[in-house]
Amino acid sequence: GESVGLHLPTLSVQEGDNSIINCAYSNSASDYFIWYKQESGKGPQFIIDIRSNMDKRQGQRVTVLLNKTVKHLSLQIAATQPGDSAVYFCAEYSGGGADGLTFGKGTHLIIQP
Amino acid sequence: ETGVTQTPRHLVMGMTNKKSLKCEQHLGHNAMYWYKQSAKKPLELMFVYSLEERVENNSVPSRFSPECPNSSHLFLHLHTLQPEDSALYLCASSPGTGISGANVLTFGAGSRLTVL
Repeated sequence: GESVGLHLPTLSVQEGDNSIINCAYSNSASDYFIWYKQESGKGPQFIIDIRSNMDKRQGQRVTVLLNKTVKHLSLQIAATQPGDSAVYFCAEYSGGGADGLTFGKGTHLIIQP
Repeated sequence: ETGVTQTPRHLVMGMTNKKSLKCEQHLGHNAMYWYKQSAKKPLELMFVYSLEERVENNSVPSRFSPECPNSSHLFLHLHTLQPEDSALYLCASSPGTGISGANVLTFGAGSRLTVL
């Protein structure tokens, strides 16, 4: 079956540096993508989303880039802070099923002081 | 808090026990979901309820039995579980299903289940 995945299970960055978390998807019919943040002991939280008719979308300190040619999604976090430490995972929406979302496994972002 | 409350937060049970997980949402949403989150695996959708009616059951074993008495409450009844069922069980809610709900899917903190 088609799946959403992440390139790296763990990413360690220095506080203040920028972080880039990657996600590969394989369903070319997916037309909507979401990034979630899951802190220890908490449920996933919506960070930012992007539709397939866009290449880039910016939020507060976060930017999502979508490259439909290579089916690649990335989340950039600027000036990382200790509170950014969490597991980040992407999800793609392809319209199938009641929720239509397929989730990736997640990347654990560790912020070094 | 996120508006979705799950209890208990931690549960340890034997394979012959019967227990239940509870979820309550205070957001006025019409759809509620159960997800399973295992270590190093993606979130797996188990059940979806829309307006208290089950609309999806993703080939979940019958030892998991959901119940949605009203649009604010969702239960997951557990009986004769296996050790491989140990995982974090997440409840979520959204205004509706499909793409109209995907971007406002709100998760609870989860119930960590350990089956001995």
